[in-house]
Amino acid sequence: DIQMTQSPSSLSASVGDRVTITCRASQSISSYLNWYQQKPGKAPKLLIYAASSLQSGVPSRFSGSGSGTDFTLTISSPQPEDFATYYCQQSYDIPYTFGQGTKLEIK
Amino acid sequence: EVQLVESGGGLVKPEGSLRLSCAASEFTLTDAWMNWVRQAPGKGLEWVGRIKSKTDGGTTDYAAPVKGRFTISRDDPKNTLYLQMNSLETEDTAVYYCTRDPRYCGGGSCHRYFDYWGQGTLVTVSS
Repeated sequence: DIQMTQSPSSLSASVGDRVTITCRASQSISSYLNWYQQKPGKAPKLLIYAASSLQSGVPSRFSGSGSGTDFTLTISSPQPEDFATYYCQQSYDIPYTFGQGTKLEIK
Repeated sequence: EVQLVESGGGLVKPEGSLRLSCAASEFTLTDAWMNWVRQAPGKGLEWVGRIKSKTDGGTTDYAAPVKGRFTISRDDPKNTLYLQMNSLETEDTAVYYCTRDPRYCGGGSCHRYFDYWGQGTLVTVSS
């Protein structure tokens, strides 16, 4: 199975700070990488697919980059509603696997 | 708008069975790849399994922890997805989500992702 490792596991930031979350795959997955946001008690929401494609309706302050084994989710200027948990997920091979999550908290 | 609504969760004893349902609207389940993803209390997301569209063969794949115990199926006239769970274990306690798995092709490759999720249904396995 492909292991996905996110860092950091948690992060404190202020509204307007630039935030970067990293996801590393245990083997090359090309650009088969998706990012999701989850708020407490809610289902995850797709933000980025194919490593860098912004899902329709998602604010442009979210962006994704990377290929191979190293990927990044950037929030250019986090707003209060962005404080949530973020997951990466590889769709290169079955079983699909997720990172352990990064909790973004407000400072 | 596309909607997925799960039902069927509840409390079940170890080694018991439960069937979850996921009713879809505004798209045809037969034409879609669909997945189940679960989340144990306070934990991360775990892929459970998927069923391909009818045109892609309708075959299923499962995660190792549930293979042989869980079965994914569809009822086409009802436009409903199912997850039959047998021989349940305490480790199966989780919120279960159904998700749609569309395909995007660009730049010479095709990608899959989970674009719509249901609200989730809680399964608790406990004596």
